[in-house]
Amino acid sequence: DAKTTQPPSMDCAEGRAANLPCNHSTISGNEYVYWYRQIHSQGPQYIIHGLKNNETNEMASLIITEDRKSSTLILPHATLRDTAVYYCIVTNNNAGNMLTFGGGTRLMVKP
Amino acid sequence: DSGVTQTPKHLITATGQRVTLRCSPRSGDLSVYWYQQSLDQGLQFLIQYYNGEERAKGNILERFSAQQFPDLHSELNLSSLELGDSALYFCASSPWGAGETQYFGPGTRLLVL
Repeated sequence: DAKTTQPPSMDCAEGRAANLPCNHSTISGNEYVYWYRQIHSQGPQYIIHGLKNNETNEMASLIITEDRKSSTLILPHATLRDTAVYYCIVTNNNAGNMLTFGGGTRLMVKP
Repeated sequence: DSGVTQTPKHLITATGQRVTLRCSPRSGDLSVYWYQQSLDQGLQFLIQYYNGEERAKGNILERFSAQQFPDLHSELNLSSLELGDSALYFCASSPWGAGETQYFGPGTRLLVL
């Protein structure tokens, strides 16, 4: 699986959009970009995933660049409950698709 | 609530002992994954089962073993415990074990004294 690079930490004001970047310059054609988050020591929570096109769900939007070498997770109106570590993971859809977690980005939403 | 349940929530034991962690996947999911999260290693994949069969193995120690039962629940057995085995152990499940989203349980916090 391709390696990802994320900033170790970011701050965001409550109510503002949080834009979390991820670099995955070695991504291959059949690899998806997944985002999970972990709030304190809870189990990782799935947020969104995509292959080429931008995706949106009730939690977030995922913007993938045309060359697929980077992506941005957007939380449109961050709340204090969005404070968490956000993991960007690149994985293919083959059998045995274990997730390889890096260090993630620690997002602090401030009042 | 992801639908994945894990028991116990907390476990305190001594070095050299053996423990069993239990995971029940989401209804309908056939695949179960185990992950370990320690302070110095982060979240690491241990092992995956699909419909009772081992499908993939990660950085799982020989002292650790797992199995998935006919009712699809899974158990992770940790033996000859060492201080360094203290960690959070997460179970995740997915429908087919091939490319779908994994849903994680709340974890078991193991403390080895």
